[in-house]
Amino acid sequence: EPEVTQTPSHQVTQMGQEVILRCVPISNHLYFYWYRQILGQKVEFLVSFYNNEISEKSEIFDDQFSVERPDGSNFTLKIRSTKLEDSAMYFCASRDRGWKDQPQHFGDGTRLSIL
Amino acid sequence: GESVGLHLPTLSVQEGDNSIINCAYSNSASDYFIWYKQESGKGPQFIIDIRSNMDKRQGQRVTVLLNKTVKHLSLQIAATQPGDSAVYFCAAASGYALNFGKGTSLLVTP
Repeated sequence: EPEVTQTPSHQVTQMGQEVILRCVPISNHLYFYWYRQILGQKVEFLVSFYNNEISEKSEIFDDQFSVERPDGSNFTLKIRSTKLEDSAMYFCASRDRGWKDQPQHFGDGTRLSIL
Repeated sequence: GESVGLHLPTLSVQEGDNSIINCAYSNSASDYFIWYKQESGKGPQFIIDIRSNMDKRQGQRVTVLLNKTVKHLSLQIAATQPGDSAVYFCAAASGYALNFGKGTSLLVTP
């Protein structure tokens, strides 16, 4: 069964450094998402991406964050200058065409630890 | 904004019993709902979904019930098995985003 893959599984970075989290969505999916989950808390929406542009973003997704689909298969999340509070699990998700009533499928996440 | 919550943080059931996990949402404009299962170290795994024009949907051993009047949905798992032990999240669609609840930890005891 096709799946969303994320790399790396664990990223350790010094505060203030830039980090790029990578995702390969399910092929032929058209909508891409990033979510984060701080330890012990609920999954929070960051951003959605469709047709090479951001379609929706949350208040968390400030100027320090950016997303890119550099080629036909990868989808990346960049944090420009990491803060301690950016430590979390980051999940990528994708879904098929159609309006929102198609399920989003998630990868297993990247654990980001900021020191 | 949307608030999605679950009524119980933990639920312990015996193997073979039926499990019911509840969820409430606040935004009456939400029209699509999904239940996810999350095992330790893994991402949310899709279980079942339901659109707001339905009040019940069944899958393999799982049933989702939606009550739009009181903004409540539930997940029923029949004949719960040890492999069902995980954290279960409900999520409500608002625009492109999914708004997740905090999760209920289901523990299945032999």
